[in-house]
Amino acid sequence: GAGVSQSPRYKVAKRGQDVALRCDPISGHVSLFWYQQALGQGPEFLTYFQNEAQLDKSGLPSDRFFAERPEGSVSTLKIQRTQQEDSAVYLCASSLARTGGRNQPQHFGDGTRLSIL
Amino acid sequence: EDQVTQSPEALRLQEGESSSLNCSYTVSGLRGLFWYRQDPGKGPEFLFTLYSAGEEKEKERLKATLTKKESFLHITAPKPEDSATYLCAVPFSGGYNKLIFGAGTRLAVHP
Repeated sequence: GAGVSQSPRYKVAKRGQDVALRCDPISGHVSLFWYQQALGQGPEFLTYFQNEAQLDKSGLPSDRFFAERPEGSVSTLKIQRTQQEDSAVYLCASSLARTGGRNQPQHFGDGTRLSIL
Repeated sequence: EDQVTQSPEALRLQEGESSSLNCSYTVSGLRGLFWYRQDPGKGPEFLFTLYSAGEEKEKERLKATLTKKESFLHITAPKPEDSATYLCAVPFSGGYNKLIFGAGTRLAVHP
């Protein structure tokens, strides 16, 4: 079946512009996560949705970052007034709900590489 | 503090030369340890989940094991196509499934 799809794959923006990154999760996955990955590092958690509810946004770096998942499927990560330090790869992942007390594996998209000039 | 540390940072092997990657973790109440493979320009690809000490999982030339403090990814007779960055991750203490990742081990297998 189809995996997690992210678009665009690459985004170049000028400092101060707003950007929107899209994530289409695996069908039936109730959990959706956004991560930020710097070069040579592991992904770092940004925010988590269960269906349409944003249950954890503790990893969002500033109030310029905003995420939504209005119908419990597609999600959008928006960054307002972009800064150079926002340049990174933004990864989206989805998973089934926890089963039998065990966390289920997250399946990742290929990410959006964001470059702020 | 929840933490995941991977070693070595980079590993160069000759084709057929077996080795192991280490992932040590500190987290309260482990609810799974996840191994991923990441190729350049791609997202992490799920490999294994381990839930309890003593558990082992295998897939082709890869075998993952888990103790109470660390996990190993054993690579037997690697091939050049096994070259990638291998990431391990555990859920943060305190709920949900948000993962804390190690920085990864960059594996290069040469013919």
